[in-house]
Amino acid sequence: EAGVVQSPRYKIIEKKQPVAFWCNPISGHNTLYWYLQNLGQGPELLIRYENEEAVDDSQLPKDRFSAERLKGVDSTLKIQPAELGDSAVYLCASSLVGGGTDTQYFGPGTRLTVL
Amino acid sequence: GENVEQHPSTLSVQEGDSAVIKCTYSDSASNYFPWYKQELGKGPQLIIDIRSNVGEKKDQRIAVTLNKTAKHFSLHITETQPEDSAVYFCAASRRNSNSGYALNFGKGTSLLVTP
Repeated sequence: EAGVVQSPRYKIIEKKQPVAFWCNPISGHNTLYWYLQNLGQGPELLIRYENEEAVDDSQLPKDRFSAERLKGVDSTLKIQPAELGDSAVYLCASSLVGGGTDTQYFGPGTRLTVL
Repeated sequence: GENVEQHPSTLSVQEGDSAVIKCTYSDSASNYFPWYKQELGKGPQLIIDIRSNVGEKKDQRIAVTLNKTAKHFSLHITETQPEDSAVYFCAASRRNSNSGYALNFGKGTSLLVTP
């Protein structure tokens, strides 16, 4: 079974440019998470989706960050415009809530560098 | 919100020795405590977890203990091997069977096992 897929794996952009990250969760998983991982830190939740609905986005900086999960499967996280402080790894995770085990499985992440 | 403290930040052991990583949490309502292993360039991978109704859990060379009264939990790795070298994260969460949940991570412990 394929794991969580993320693309691109690496992205380098200049500040003030827009950037987007894509996540394909494990097949059948109804819950999807985006986490931010700064260098030397643990991941921090940005947003959680249950199917198509964003049910916890309290930590998402809504002035520049946006996310969507159309049709309750793939998800895209966007930053516009990017700032130097956005350089980090953006992790996507998925889980199956209500299916017996709801362990969160993480993708490899997208490493963003803002110059 | 939940605050998870993790110690030590770095740990170096000889192959075959044991390694212990400790975490404390602040939210007495947290009931789920997973441990993730993150290798360079990869996403976190669950290695073991424990729920608040259990005091100890073991899986081969890995064990986790939980003290709810003191609000701390620990990861124990016995007979360490070089392939155990990675960053280990503890996390705490309020988890229920009906919805997704946010993982609150510690800052991580970089474990180095030398041959």
